[in-house]
Amino acid sequence: EDKVVQSPLSLVVHEGDTVTLNCSYEVTNFRSLLWYKQEKKAPTFLFMLTSSGIEKKSGRLSSILDKKELSSILNITATQTGDSAIYLCAATPYGGATNKLIFGTGTLLAVQP
Amino acid sequence: KAGVTQTPRYLIKTRGQQVTLSCSPISGHRSVSWYQQTPGQGLQFLFEYFSETQRNKGNFPGRFSGRQFSNSRSEMNVSTLELGDSALYLCASSLALGGYGYTFGSGTRLTVV
Repeated sequence: EDKVVQSPLSLVVHEGDTVTLNCSYEVTNFRSLLWYKQEKKAPTFLFMLTSSGIEKKSGRLSSILDKKELSSILNITATQTGDSAIYLCAATPYGGATNKLIFGTGTLLAVQP
Repeated sequence: KAGVTQTPRYLIKTRGQQVTLSCSPISGHRSVSWYQQTPGQGLQFLFEYFSETQRNKGNFPGRFSGRQFSNSRSEMNVSTLELGDSALYLCASSLALGGYGYTFGSGTRLTVV
């Protein structure tokens, strides 16, 4: 059965810290991995990774995919209180034309001032 | 442009009742997917629709059903509600299947008492 596992489940840091969130996947016919940030209700898109070893960056956030290790990490540098959220990792299978996402349970990040 | 709109925002129902949730996708988007989010299970895929046809279905009992209309709006129905159906129900829309640009709505918070 396809699955995505995220760690840690929750994390408390102070402003200015750097955090690394982990995501591992076991998905048949894996196509891509996506990261989302969920602050209140609607998850918002952060990154999509399809190629191994290529880092995607957006400001203080960056992410990289390791297809050999079936994993991805999301790094946040110089954290701010506004980074407090649930970070979701999701994998897409390639089987047929589908938008189905297989999500991990998420990492709850709390950034304290 | 308007985002994905879900109604109602909140809902309280009694065990045994049924409920219908609505999702209006971004204009021009033809694919709608539904997810159930609970603290213990994370986001779990319910089903996806494209051009009024169900294209994929998750591992949920037959009490969960859905449909899509010719204007791409989608509804999901849960019959014979159970306490365990209490969750945030999210829908997401995109232009086509197998593509990207997946946008989530803010969800409907269903509480079953």
